[in-house]
Amino acid sequence: GAVVSQHPSWVICKSGTSVKIECRSLDFQATTMFWYRQFPKQSLMLMATSNEGSKATYEQGVEKDKFLINHASLTLSTLTVTSAHPEDSSFYICSANTGTTYYEQYFGPGTRLTVT
Amino acid sequence: GDSVTQMEGPVTLSEEAFLTINCTYTATGYPSLFWYVQYPGEGLQLLLKATKADDKGSNKGFEATYRKETTSFHLEKGSVQVSDSAVYFCALSEEDFGNEKLTFGTGTRLTIIP
Repeated sequence: GAVVSQHPSWVICKSGTSVKIECRSLDFQATTMFWYRQFPKQSLMLMATSNEGSKATYEQGVEKDKFLINHASLTLSTLTVTSAHPEDSSFYICSANTGTTYYEQYFGPGTRLTVT
Repeated sequence: GDSVTQMEGPVTLSEEAFLTINCTYTATGYPSLFWYVQYPGEGLQLLLKATKADDKGSNKGFEATYRKETTSFHLEKGSVQVSDSAVYFCALSEEDFGNEKLTFGTGTRLTIIP
C-alpha cells in the first residue's frame, strides 16, 4: 500500500531557532499534501494544503510566515517552523493523496516537536 | 462550524468482546463520514466510510451506519482481536468542490487484552 514517511520522528529545538520537517510519499506521486497539528487529547487540526509547484493554502488562524510549507516535488513536502517558541510544541502530521478523492489520504506517522 | 465528538477513551476490552465506539457530529450540510485507524507506530489509515444517510460502511469486520436522524456514526465490531488495538478517529467532510477537508474527532484508544 501507499506509504508516507516523516523525518524526523522526534525533535527538540531551542526557542528562537527554526526546524524543518520532511514528508515523503515513498511509492506514489502525491498531487496534494496536507499538514495537520495535534495537541494532546485533541483532534487533528488542518494547518495547510499544498499542491506540487504552487503555494500552500493555509487555514484560518495559521501564520504563513511562521509555518513555511514547500511542496517542490510530487514526493516531498516540507514544513519549517520558524523562530520556534514553546507554544509551537506539538505533534505534526502530514498526509498525501493522488488527487482522486480527498478522503483517501495516506498519513505519515507524525513528528513530535518540543521547543525548550 | 463542523465538529465531531467521540467517546473518550481509553477503552479496554477482552478478546472476542463486542465493541462500540460512539461518534456524533455537527454539520451544516450533508457530510460524508469516515473512520480512520492508527496502529502503533504507523500513520492514520482509512478504515471505512459512508457518504449518505443510511449507508453502512464496513471493513475488516468493523461496521458503522450513517444515522442522519441522530447525527451519529458509531463504530461496531462483533468480536475484537488483539490486533485491533489502535487509536480510532471519527471524521467528516462536507462537499465543497476544490476545498474538501477532513474534520476529526479526538480519537479513542482501544486496547484488547488476550
